[in-house]
Amino acid sequence: DAGITQSPRHKVTETGTPVTLRCHQTENHRYMYWYRQDPGHGLRLIHYSYGVKDTDKGEVSDGYSVSRSKTEDFLLTLESATSSQTSVYFCAINPGTSDPYNEQFFGPGTRLTVL
Amino acid sequence: DAKTTQPNSMESNEEEPVHLPCNHSTISGTDYIHWYRQLPSQGPEYVIHGLTSNVNNRMASLAIAEDRKSSTLILHRATLRDAAVYYCILSRIAGGTSYGKLTFGQGTILTVHP
Repeated sequence: DAGITQSPRHKVTETGTPVTLRCHQTENHRYMYWYRQDPGHGLRLIHYSYGVKDTDKGEVSDGYSVSRSKTEDFLLTLESATSSQTSVYFCAINPGTSDPYNEQFFGPGTRLTVL
Repeated sequence: DAKTTQPNSMESNEEEPVHLPCNHSTISGTDYIHWYRQLPSQGPEYVIHGLTSNVNNRMASLAIAEDRKSSTLILHRATLRDAAVYYCILSRIAGGTSYGKLTFGQGTILTVHP
């Protein structure tokens, strides 16, 4: 299994509260991604990173910010959580090489509930 | 991003082969065809990917049409553990100016009967 962990695994918070989710990898992979998954939907990309301090927006970035100050950590912040951000959040990593596979490894997910 | 079309659901019996189709008529020359699957309550996991030629690995085979407008994921002997949502995704490989972003559709829900 790829060395990727997410914390916390579960969180319940209230509307208007700031929330930070952490993705940590031990693989030294260049690329990291944050996705969200809602019932009945596939995963949707929120933000991604292609290096330390290099990040960009995905398709559903409104209300989210990210930071990557070191290779191993990619933080996702909800500045002021809303009920529409209740979801399961997945982090993924990709080495960006073609040997042996250029694939994304996903973390176990964080279930976030905003009341 | 080019889109893919997959059946909403498919069923199979244990130990039988399963062919999961995917249509991608607007695929571009730099798009790889990726397959991921998601078991219940887990994150997606990589299954296989290819560009033009058929590919085999320990999990599955990928058959790509000559015009690349469709592909088929083949599970040679389905097991109960293969019950999952299977996603067919088009994406450039991560590296250089490509960031390996994946766009997930609804996928195909595969049910495997004992």
